[in-house]
Amino acid sequence: AQSVTQLDSHVSVSEGTPVLLRCNYSSSYSPSLFWYVQHPNKGLQLLLKYTSAATLVKGINGFEAEFKKSETSFHLTKPSAHMSDAAEYFCVVSGAGGYQKVTFGTGTKLQVIP
Amino acid sequence: KAGVTQTPRYLIKTRGQQVTLSCSPISGHRSVSWYQQTPGQGLQFLFEYFSETQRNKGNFPGRFSGRQFSNSRSEMNVSTLELGDSALYLCASSLGGRGPNATNEKLFFGSGTQLSVL
Repeated sequence: AQSVTQLDSHVSVSEGTPVLLRCNYSSSYSPSLFWYVQHPNKGLQLLLKYTSAATLVKGINGFEAEFKKSETSFHLTKPSAHMSDAAEYFCVVSGAGGYQKVTFGTGTKLQVIP
Repeated sequence: KAGVTQTPRYLIKTRGQQVTLSCSPISGHRSVSWYQQTPGQGLQFLFEYFSETQRNKGNFPGRFSGRQFSNSRSEMNVSTLELGDSALYLCASSLGGRGPNATNEKLFFGSGTQLSVL
C-alpha cells in the first residue's frame, strides 16, 4: 500500500520570505513523486517530479524539492514567496501497478501576505 | 499547442439524472485520465483510457463510466446522479506510450467541470 501525507492544510507566509510545504510518503516500491499546483478555478499544473535521477529536483517558478529516503519526505521549498504563489499545492506519489496507484495528498493552501 | 479542454465548465443536475462530461486532450496525447475532486475526499482517480481502451480503473461504482474515441477525446458519464456526486471533475492527458504501469509521466490537466447535483 502507499500513502501520502501533507502535514499542513494551510501555510501562511509573508511576501519575500521562504516557503516550506511538507510532504511525507510511504510506498512499497521506489516511488515517483510529484508536486502539482492548483490556482482557483483552474486545473492542476506540474511543478516538479522526482523519478530517482537526482534527490534535489528543481521545478518551475523557483520551486524545488528534496527527496529524502531515510525520512520518507519530499518537501517543497522556495527561497522567496511571491503573491502569485498563493494557491493550493498537492503532493502526489505513484508506484508500480497503474494509475490506481497514483495517490494525491489532501493539499496545502498557501497564503502569501503582502 | 492548445491545452486540455473540458466542457462544459459548469453543470447543474438533479438527483437521478445522468450527465456526460467531455475532455479533449493535447494533440498527440493518447492517454486520458479522469479524477474527482471534493473538499472531503480530495482528488481521487476514476479511470484512464489509452487508444480507446480502459487501461486502469479506480474504486468508483459502475454508475461512473467513460469512453475514448479514435481522436483520443474522452467522455465520462455518470448515471443516476446522487447528491454526493457533486464535485469538480478533472481530466488529464499524457503521451501514455510507456504502458499502463508507467505512472511517472507528466500529466496535463484541464480546468475541470464543476458538477452540482441538487
